[in-house]
Amino acid sequence: NAGVTQTPKFQVLKTGQSMTLQCAQDMNHNSMYWYRQDPGMGLRLIYYSASEGTTDKGEVPNGYNVSRLNKREFSLRLESAAPSQTSVYFCASNKLGGAGSPLHFGNGTRLTVT
Amino acid sequence: SQELEQSPQSLIVQEGKNLTINCTSSKTLYGLYWYKQKYGEGLIFLMMLQKGGEEKSHEKITAKLDEKKQQSSLHITASQPSHAGIYLCGADSSGAGSYQLTFGKGTKLSVIP
Repeated sequence: NAGVTQTPKFQVLKTGQSMTLQCAQDMNHNSMYWYRQDPGMGLRLIYYSASEGTTDKGEVPNGYNVSRLNKREFSLRLESAAPSQTSVYFCASNKLGGAGSPLHFGNGTRLTVT
Repeated sequence: SQELEQSPQSLIVQEGKNLTINCTSSKTLYGLYWYKQKYGEGLIFLMMLQKGGEEKSHEKITAKLDEKKQQSSLHITASQPSHAGIYLCGADSSGAGSYQLTFGKGTKLSVIP
């Protein structure tokens, strides 16, 4: 059982370049999330998708766009990367977005923007 | 906005010793989740607590949510090197569930053989 799969695992970008982070889950979960993890800041929610066809902003959405491609896949796009977006990005999913449904995380994408 | 304070920030213990990690919120918690993270990996779900006074155990790890539902503790009995990692608490203080979880900054645990 793969769970939540993220690609790529590592990426180096130059300022201004664009890229898309991919995430797929095989647990038939309804809700999916993108977080970033920075030293001293903890995990912060970028965007989430409560169900297929919907997306909403989280705590730190500026500079990012998302697409819920289907029930399994949720991508995160950086249109014009900035050094402040250097971070570790985690995708997560859960069956229901309400209380009582723990998040399942992928292994992360380590992004460096120079 | 909700903030979660984890203490201690880091902990070094001898193998076999017991230890406790705390997660404190200024707001009532509707749900509290404990995760473990190893370097370079994702977060592994450990336990979820929802009711004041609730206590759950898995192997040698016990988590409690206090009666006032503003603090949770994670207790490890007879620690082993396999327990080493970063422990994070995640909390729902809005009642909105996982759409607005807040995470603590983590407690780094090292276990010396």
